[in-house]
Amino acid sequence: QVQLQESGPGLVKPSGTLSLTCAVSGGSITSSNWWSWVRQPPGKGLEWIGEIYHSGSTKYNPSLKSRVTISADKSKNQFSLKLSSVTAADTAVYYCARENSGCLGGWGQGTLVTVSS
Amino acid sequence: QPVLTQSSSASASLGSSVKLTCTLNSGHSGYSIAWHQQRPGKAPRYLMMLQDTGNYIKGSGVPDRFSGSSSGADRYLTISNLQSEDEADYYCETWDSYTRVFGGGTKLTVL
Repeated sequence: QVQLQESGPGLVKPSGTLSLTCAVSGGSITSSNWWSWVRQPPGKGLEWIGEIYHSGSTKYNPSLKSRVTISADKSKNQFSLKLSSVTAADTAVYYCARENSGCLGGWGQGTLVTVSS
Repeated sequence: QPVLTQSSSASASLGSSVKLTCTLNSGHSGYSIAWHQQRPGKAPRYLMMLQDTGNYIKGSGVPDRFSGSSSGADRYLTISNLQSEDEADYYCETWDSYTRVFGGGTKLTVL
């Protein structure tokens, strides 16, 4: 059973860069899956941020593309999210997830990131 | 790109059945979707992948009370013998080669 665990700062200053990592256990990041980031602002729905394949190929939500970078570290079996120029609107619970047969078949527990000075 | 539409809320009585709907936009009626359950304060949980044919593949541990079906651009999640723990938000998801999208979610209340 593949498990995902997000980690990173819970507080980021406005105009700064949000950085999160998702550690993958029970499976390899080099398997034939896409590895995704999804966020959920307080009281709102799910928003896909983007995803990466182990080859390094990426896909991003067009509304966030200019500020997002997703990367993978095969040696550590983890993948990461960087979101630049953050504002209060980026305050959300951030989830990492694993694609399986097209859809997201497994989720991390999520981590709350608050953007505030 | 694909767009998914869900009703914002639904309710049904304990022990009864409920059918939640997720509708694909024009030109995307052949897409598969996935259903996810999100209980209050918890991460989403994958329930099933549902094809346009009505065939579905459930995730590990998902009770038999959960089933899926399709008709045209509509994708359904039916929950039978409703339990209190089924009270949650339900999201549908779809994808293509370029993007992944979620519906707005349906908040299910068990009366």
